[in-house]
Amino acid sequence: DIQMTQSPSTLSASVGDRATITCRASQSVSSWLAWYQQKPGKAPKLLIYKASSLESGVPSRFSGSGSGTEFTLTISSLQPDDFATYYCQQYNTYSWTFGQGTKVEIK
Amino acid sequence: EVQLLESGGGLVQPGGSLRLSCAASGFTFSTHAMSWVRQAPGKGLEWVSAISGSGDITYYTDSVKGRFTISRDNSKNTLFLQMNSLRAEDTAVYYCARDTMIAPRGHFDYWGQGTLVTVSS
Repeated sequence: DIQMTQSPSTLSASVGDRATITCRASQSVSSWLAWYQQKPGKAPKLLIYKASSLESGVPSRFSGSGSGTEFTLTISSLQPDDFATYYCQQYNTYSWTFGQGTKVEIK
Repeated sequence: EVQLLESGGGLVQPGGSLRLSCAASGFTFSTHAMSWVRQAPGKGLEWVSAISGSGDITYYTDSVKGRFTISRDNSKNTLFLQMNSLRAEDTAVYYCARDTMIAPRGHFDYWGQGTLVTVSS
């Protein structure tokens, strides 16, 4: 199975800060990479698909980049609603795998 | 509006069985593959199983092969997960998720609210 590794595990930041989360795959997943946001007690929400495509309705402060084995989720200016846990997910193979998650907390 | 509503979770003893359901509405159910994704308490997301829109293609993560069976009834817009020989490590919130494609090949654009399965004596 393809392993997905996110860094950092926790990111402490303030409102207005730029936040960057990295996701690395153990082998190439081309651009078949999605990002999800999850808040406590809630289901995950799709933010980005195909590495850099913004899901409809998601604010433009979210962006994704990368291909192959290294990917990045960037939040250009953190808003209070953005403090949550973020997961990357590869869908290159018939065994979808997620990263372990990155918790974005208020500094 | 797309809605996915899971049910069937609960407390079960090790070795027992449960059948989860996911009722779908707001879209043409048969044109989307579906998956089950679980999340153990305080842990990350783990994909469990996927099924094609027609129901003829299924996939499972290794830890549930031979114990869990995914199925769907397109006439009732409902997805199922039959879970047998349950273990403590199967304890989790189980989410159903809609694939963007008819074959199980894409990402998940809609998720249900989840149903909690607790395996304990």
